[in-house]
Amino acid sequence: KAGVTQTPRYLIKTRGQQVTLSCSPISGHRSVSWYQQTPGQGLQFLFEYFSETQRNKGNFPGRFSGRQFSNSRSEMNVSTLELGDSALYLCASSGPSGDTGELFFGEGSRLTVL
Amino acid sequence: GNSVTQMEGPVTLSEEAFLTINCTYTATGYPSLFWYVQYPGEGLQLLLKATKADDKGSNKGFEATYRKETTSFHLEKGSVQVSDSAVYFCALKSLGAGSYQLTFGKGTKLSVIP
Repeated sequence: KAGVTQTPRYLIKTRGQQVTLSCSPISGHRSVSWYQQTPGQGLQFLFEYFSETQRNKGNFPGRFSGRQFSNSRSEMNVSTLELGDSALYLCASSGPSGDTGELFFGEGSRLTVL
Repeated sequence: GNSVTQMEGPVTLSEEAFLTINCTYTATGYPSLFWYVQYPGEGLQLLLKATKADDKGSNKGFEATYRKETTSFHLEKGSVQVSDSAVYFCALKSLGAGSYQLTFGKGTKLSVIP
């Protein structure tokens, strides 16, 4: 069974640009969450999608957005990039195993903003 | 709101030493508790979990017991190996939240030297 796949793995952008990251969850998983990981703040929850609907949202500015498609694949977008957006962005999926909270993470997309 | 506090790292141990990583939490209700591990260059993976008070989660020689009275979930291993070098994250999920959002501690980096 394939794991959670995130693309691209690495990318470099400049301030003011926008970026789109993609996540393919484990087959059969309908919930996709996104987290930002930085050395200073650790792991911070961005948002969670379930069946194409945003079900929960963290405390991030409106420049951070996401969506989920009918095949459960998800994308997140960051507009007007700032230096502080440099981070590892992790996607996680969670499946029909009950409300246990177990997440399956991808390897992440490492974004560098210059 | 929910929060997780874990001991500051980094932690450096010799092979076969005893490991304890402290984790305490603040949450309403009865959360599920988790330890995730992140090996270099990889995403997070679930190490162990406990869903109710006095439950003991265990995996790969690691153990943690859900202590409601002290709101703690300390991670222990009797004899660490070089391959255990990684960053360890304590996390909680509140029951009834209805969505797969975890609150993570800031992580503890463990280095095991031969």
